[in-house]
Amino acid sequence: GAVVSQHPSRVICKSGTSVKIECRSLDFQATTMFWYRQFPKKSLMLMATSNEGSKATYEQGVEKDKFLINHASLTLSTLTVTSAHPEDSSFYICSARAGRGGETQYFGPGTRLLVL
Amino acid sequence: AQSVTQLDSHVSVSEGTPVLLRCNYSSSYSPSLFWYVQHPNKGLQLLLKYTSAATLVKGINGFEAEFKKSETSFHLTKPSAHMSDAAEYFCVVTPNTGTASKLTFGTGTRLQVTL
Repeated sequence: GAVVSQHPSRVICKSGTSVKIECRSLDFQATTMFWYRQFPKKSLMLMATSNEGSKATYEQGVEKDKFLINHASLTLSTLTVTSAHPEDSSFYICSARAGRGGETQYFGPGTRLLVL
Repeated sequence: AQSVTQLDSHVSVSEGTPVLLRCNYSSSYSPSLFWYVQHPNKGLQLLLKYTSAATLVKGINGFEAEFKKSETSFHLTKPSAHMSDAAEYFCVVTPNTGTASKLTFGTGTRLQVTL
């Protein structure tokens, strides 16, 4: 149980275009979903926290107008990178949690974004 | 406030020998602690977690970790390394409270397993 999927697994786009990444909890309802960014050989950096049906909470330094997050249902959250630039190229990982406390977060397999 | 320190950025062991990946934490609250493993270009897989129950936690693939409050440590061990254990390992802490909480990641330890 506790499977989280991401789609696509890899995407290449041109500079200036927008890219949408989906995160789904397959066998549980995710009250909270998280979006992380991971640079090569680095740890994960939390970008934002989203609770179903409410606006996402962004971490300091993360542009909310550039990284649009929607958590429209208990099993789906999307991250849209708007007007992508080469510096947005990264590995984006989502996670999902059933509750609001210290419960385990289950991670998706990640999406590799390359902006040309 | 909370933080995690993974004392070794890189550990190399021979196949069949014990593995020790070190982690120290600090937390203002009673913590929940996790170890995750990440294989190249993959997401994170939960190895094990501590959430204020038994201090010796057994996880998947033969890994275990012991929560030592007096030493603020949560080291990950395995008696005998396998080639498939080669990966990046992250120690993670979060407050064990009833409110929404965020994970704080260590910087990771890359485990290399040689023949």
